[in-house]
Amino acid sequence: GAVVSQHPSWVICKSGTSVKIECRSLDFQATTMFWYRQFPKQSLMLMATSNEGSKATYEQGVEKDKFLINHASLTLSTLTVTSAHPEDSSFYICSARRGLAGTGELFFGEGSRLTVL
Amino acid sequence: QKEVEQNSGPLSVPEGAIASLNCTYSDRGSQSFFWYRQYSGKSPELIMSIYSNGDKEDGRFTAQLNKASQYVSLLIRDSQPSDSATYLCAVLLSGTYKYIFGTGTRLKVLA
Repeated sequence: GAVVSQHPSWVICKSGTSVKIECRSLDFQATTMFWYRQFPKQSLMLMATSNEGSKATYEQGVEKDKFLINHASLTLSTLTVTSAHPEDSSFYICSARRGLAGTGELFFGEGSRLTVL
Repeated sequence: QKEVEQNSGPLSVPEGAIASLNCTYSDRGSQSFFWYRQYSGKSPELIMSIYSNGDKEDGRFTAQLNKASQYVSLLIRDSQPSDSATYLCAVLLSGTYKYIFGTGTRLKVLA
């Protein structure tokens, strides 16, 4: 399968600081990437859809000023959690779509576990 | 009605048995369907994609699709304890880039 790399895997930060998570598609170009968060024993929650060269589309209830998404190239999307608070602690996972529209498979990064103290 | 429905389980099967995981979806126009496996604390990994009615086999895995019944399933033959995980069904909504995931079925393979 295709390779999507996410970094960092773990991050611990103090309340009020910002954290940037990178998501890279290593062996294919991804015009569309997705960002999810997942709480323990719960299902994936889509936060936003990231399209290369344009603004991200956020799901209802997700604060776009808090979760900044940038998709500056066909292989890199970043998620910045601004002014993080303990309630932002979660498992953040990116995915990249490979293939033609209507049939593309999603490949996931390894995930980033954020703990805000 | 949820867009993609799965039984949350846990589904327990003995080692060596066939595990059968089911998924129904509501978007009649959907054409692309996917099964993912997620181990606890890890991100999902793609097992199979299926686009046409019928069966698609890959090793011990067989995906089955019935668009008329809006039903997709995953069979795991010769189940192993290492298959114990949560299995997610995903559907690509017709005319969009939006993937809808079910809540997943937790599978336990007993040694």
